[in-house]
Order: sequence, then C-alpha cells, then structure tokens
Amino acid sequence: AQTVTQSQPEMSVQEAETVTLSCTYDTSESDYYLFWYKQPPSRQMILVIRQEAYKQQNATENRFSVNFQKAAKSFSLKISDSQLGDAAMYFCAYRIRGGSNYKLTFGKGTLLTVNP
Amino acid sequence: NAGVMQNPRHLVRRRGQEARLRCSPMKGHSHVYWYRQLPEEGLKFMVYLQKENIIDESGMPKERFSAEFPKEGPSILRIQQVVRGDSAAYFCASSTTGSHYGYTFGSGTRLTVV
Repeated sequence: AQTVTQSQPEMSVQEAETVTLSCTYDTSESDYYLFWYKQPPSRQMILVIRQEAYKQQNATENRFSVNFQKAAKSFSLKISDSQLGDAAMYFCAYRIRGGSNYKLTFGKGTLLTVNP
Repeated sequence: NAGVMQNPRHLVRRRGQEARLRCSPMKGHSHVYWYRQLPEEGLKFMVYLQKENIIDESGMPKERFSAEFPKEGPSILRIQQVVRGDSAAYFCASSTTGSHYGYTFGSGTRLTVV
C-alpha cells in the first residue's frame, strides 16, 4: 500500500524568506504523480504543483518549486519569497499514473505560518 | 464556469439522524470522488463514482455510509444513524476522463454530530 509521510506538523517562515516543506512516500510503483495541495482557512483544497515521476526535471510554478528525489522517495516543496497569503495547511499527495482509478493518497499535512 | 459545488457548507446532526451531503461536479466532469478529513488528519479516500456507477468504494465504512451519482442531479453521500466519530469535513472532487492534473475539489461540508 502507498503511504505519504509529512514529518513536519508545523513550520514558520518570515515574510519574503524561503521555506521548504518535506514529504516522503512509499510505493512499489514506478510510474506515478506527486502533488502539493494548499488548504487555507477557507478549507478549499488548491493544487499548488504537480510532478510526474518519469520526469527528472523538477516542477516549478512561480514561487513554488519541488525537489523530487525518486530513489529516495522524497518530494519537498520550496516556497520562495514567502507571502502572508501562503499561510495554510500544505498536503503532499500521491497517485498512481494510468489505470482508471485516480485515488489520491495524502499525508497528514504541514501547517505553515508566515510571520510579517 | 462554477467550480465543484458542495452543500451544505456546515451540517449539524444529532446522534442517530441521517446526514445527506451533496456535490455538483464541474460542468463536463463525469467522475466524482469523496474524501473525508478528520481533525488533524489529511484527506482519506472514500469512494469514486462515475455517472450511475460506483467504481471504487474501498474507503467507505461498510455500514451506514452510501454514495450515489445519478444520471441527473448531484452526487450524494449519505450517512445513516450518525455517531460522534462521523464528525469531519467531507470533500468532493471531480475530474474529466483521463485527467492528469489531480482534480478540482469543492470547499467541503463540515459535519458536526452532537
């Protein structure tokens, strides 16, 4: 069974600084997707960034980037130039690629606080 | 172009009552997923449906929980005889066939059982 582990229940960062959120996962599959979702107090789940396992290049979306280490089964999220609006719960998630089931497996989340 | 709509946003039920949670997927989406988020936890998969079919219900409790996605109308997650342990946020998501972009989530329904 696939599992996703986020070892940092809480993190804090100063506005304009950089923070990295950790995620490790366990799977016997070779082809899969990894995601980071943001959940602000509004509760809405917002997709931040996505990585295909077959791609060696790390995904980047504006101030958000990932460090994907497939052999180590590690998928960390780096937020640069942190803004107050980045404060939220961040969830790492995994999904098998292909097949007809798109079930996501989530970690328990990391609560990010941004200090002004 | 409305996103995934869930209602109600908050639902309070007494122990033993029934809870009905509704989810209208995004226009053009034929796949619906339900997830449950317990306090201090990530989202846990419950069920995956396509129109009139349950594809995967491996995450659904065996008793009291059921889900449907009829040909017309929203998807419904139904919890009979609710207990305190059912208190959680229930999220619905939808996608198109072959979507590789994760999927679009609704804002969830927070169920409180008193």
